Amino acid sequence: QVQLQESGPGLVKPSGTLSLTCVVSGGSISSSNWWSWVRQPPGKGLEWIGEIYHSGTTNYNPSLKSRVTISVDKSKNQFSLKLSSVAAADTAVYYCAREGDNYRSWLDVWGKGTTVTVSS
Amino acid sequence: DIQMTQSPSTLSASVGDRVTITCRASQSISSWLAWYQQKPGKAPKLLIYKASSLESGVPSRFSGSGSGTEFTLTISSLQPDDFATYYCQQFNTYPLTFGGGTKVEIK
Repeated sequence: QVQLQESGPGLVKPSGTLSLTCVVSGGSISSSNWWSWVRQPPGKGLEWIGEIYHSGTTNYNPSLKSRVTISVDKSKNQFSLKLSSVAAADTAVYYCAREGDNYRSWLDVWGKGTTVTVSS
Repeated sequence: DIQMTQSPSTLSASVGDRVTITCRASQSISSWLAWYQQKPGKAPKLLIYKASSLESGVPSRFSGSGSGTEFTLTISSLQPDDFATYYCQQFNTYPLTFGGGTKVEIK
């Protein structure tokens, strides 16, 4: 069964760039699924960041679009998130997830999440 | 963006109770709705997709219904493992958006 694992720095300085990677195991990132990033600030709800297909096609949340880049590395079976010009409001648990059916879909497989704190 | 509003925000119930959570969309989303369960410190878990389709491995006490702008998640007989926070999510229109969550607590 497909499993996802996020990794990256747990602490990022304000105005810096947050960089995370999600490794896909037990399946191929080149399947027919799309792949998403979702975040959850402490004690708050879920926010969708964006999605990518193995072709490199992306869709982003307009609220973050100017600062977000999602990319894919098929050779490593992984996809990545970069969020620039971070501030304290970007402190959150970041999850990667698989979309269940084509693009713009439900999220049927989730990583465990990684906590990113923005602080000097 | 489509706004998803869940009610109640907190629900106190006892084991064995029938529990219903409501999710309302700010515009019609047909049946493009999913429900998730999240426990503290854990990732969300998919329960229901396309408003009423039960994800494989999810107990049959969970069910979903609705279309258009109003949806419900029902737990027919609440079990100890069900105390958690539940989120709805629409996938009719970009950006994907979630409801604010409903926390189901022990009464």
